[in-house]
Amino acid sequence: GAVVSQHPSRVICKSGTSVKIECRSLDFQATTMFWYRQFPKQSLMLMATSNEGSKATYEQGVEKDKFLINHASLTLSTLTVTSAHPEDSSFYICSARDFRGFVTDTQYFGPGTRLTVL
Amino acid sequence: DQQVKQNSPSLSVQEGRISILNCDYTNSMFDYFLWYKKYPAEGPTFLISISSIKDKNEDGRFTVFLNKSAKHLSLHIVPSQPGDSAVYFCAASPAGGGGYQKVTFGIGTKLQVIP
Repeated sequence: GAVVSQHPSRVICKSGTSVKIECRSLDFQATTMFWYRQFPKQSLMLMATSNEGSKATYEQGVEKDKFLINHASLTLSTLTVTSAHPEDSSFYICSARDFRGFVTDTQYFGPGTRLTVL
Repeated sequence: DQQVKQNSPSLSVQEGRISILNCDYTNSMFDYFLWYKKYPAEGPTFLISISSIKDKNEDGRFTVFLNKSAKHLSLHIVPSQPGDSAVYFCAASPAGGGGYQKVTFGIGTKLQVIP
């Protein structure tokens, strides 16, 4: 089956530093990857949609200069949280779409990254 | 504004019995509905989906029912097994129109199947 990995699984950083999270599709090519954020007792909220070789599309309210997304290849997308603050502490999860030309193509999710900003 | 609502944060069911997880939505543009299952420390995995042209879709022990007029869908698991214990997310997206449409997730319902 389709596997998506995320690295790191957990990261603790100091306020003001930047953190990079990697998302990889291991056995399929993902033309589109998605980045979500989940705060405690809330649903998965889409932050941005990342298409290989082009700029990411950010959801309303998500600062693109703070959450830098790079989708350099068909198997890798990265999310960099720049100048992290404690309010950025959250569970970040990526998904990749196994594109077959259907709008209902299933998303395959990574295991998530728990970010804690001190 | 929560467009996909899962009003029960948790549910406990005896092994062998039926588990019914409910989901309501408010956006009438939603046309495609999915259920995802999530174990701790893992990402959600796709379970079953249903298009608005259907009112029922079955896959083994899992059946999803859709009531468009009530904007309600439910996931039935029969018989429930301890391995089904997980968080279940309801999700919805608008009709295609030739491009990928954003999927909106509910908050999740934690199912515990008691042996």
